[in-house]
Amino acid sequence: NAGVTQTPKFQVLKTGQSMTLQCAQDMNHNSMYWYRQDPGMGLRLIYYSASEGTTDKGEVPNGYNVSRLNKREFSLRLESAAPSQTSVYFCASSEAWGLTGTGGAYEQYFGPGTRLTVT
Amino acid sequence: LAKTTQPISMDSYEGQEVNITCSHNNIATNDYITWYQQFPSQGPRFIIQGYKTKVTNEVASLFIPADRKSSTLSLPRVSLSDTAVYYCPVGRRGRETGANNLFFGTGTRLTVIP
Repeated sequence: NAGVTQTPKFQVLKTGQSMTLQCAQDMNHNSMYWYRQDPGMGLRLIYYSASEGTTDKGEVPNGYNVSRLNKREFSLRLESAAPSQTSVYFCASSEAWGLTGTGGAYEQYFGPGTRLTVT
Repeated sequence: LAKTTQPISMDSYEGQEVNITCSHNNIATNDYITWYQQFPSQGPRFIIQGYKTKVTNEVASLFIPADRKSSTLSLPRVSLSDTAVYYCPVGRRGRETGANNLFFGTGTRLTVIP
């Protein structure tokens, strides 16, 4: 049981390049999330997917797109990378509302992160 | 947005009880209060959640006053391994049947001293 996995762990891009960050979870969770964390800051929600087939914008969606490929996988795409997108990206998953884990409805499980640098 | 405010840093000696406070003045009626721990180069890890009064689990206690505009995480007898950043994101339902979104502030860096 690997929990939440993310690939790649590190990536360096040039301005204008594109890439896709991959995320997968093996806990059969309905909901998945993408966050970014800038140095010395808390996490900010980029996009989320309440369940398979649905996606919604979070606090900072500009410059990103997402795909909920199936129940396990949720990818984040940068179409044209900018230096302002240099950050650490975390994927997370959780049960949907009304289906609580041992911790409660707001217990999210986070992956190890992807450190992205855009030059 | 339901952002939170916390002390930037705290120090504590090993074996002491630590109380970390959080202010969430814009909390809405149906929002929950959660606490997460984050070690360097790792994703956050869930500690505890609550709606009002007091909640206790095997690692921490959470105290929430009646007005719910603040909360306090209590860690009993901290050890060196508790050195981390602690966040108190507000939890808010994103959709009718789905996601439970978290809104983070900047966190408190706790350093446990031998």
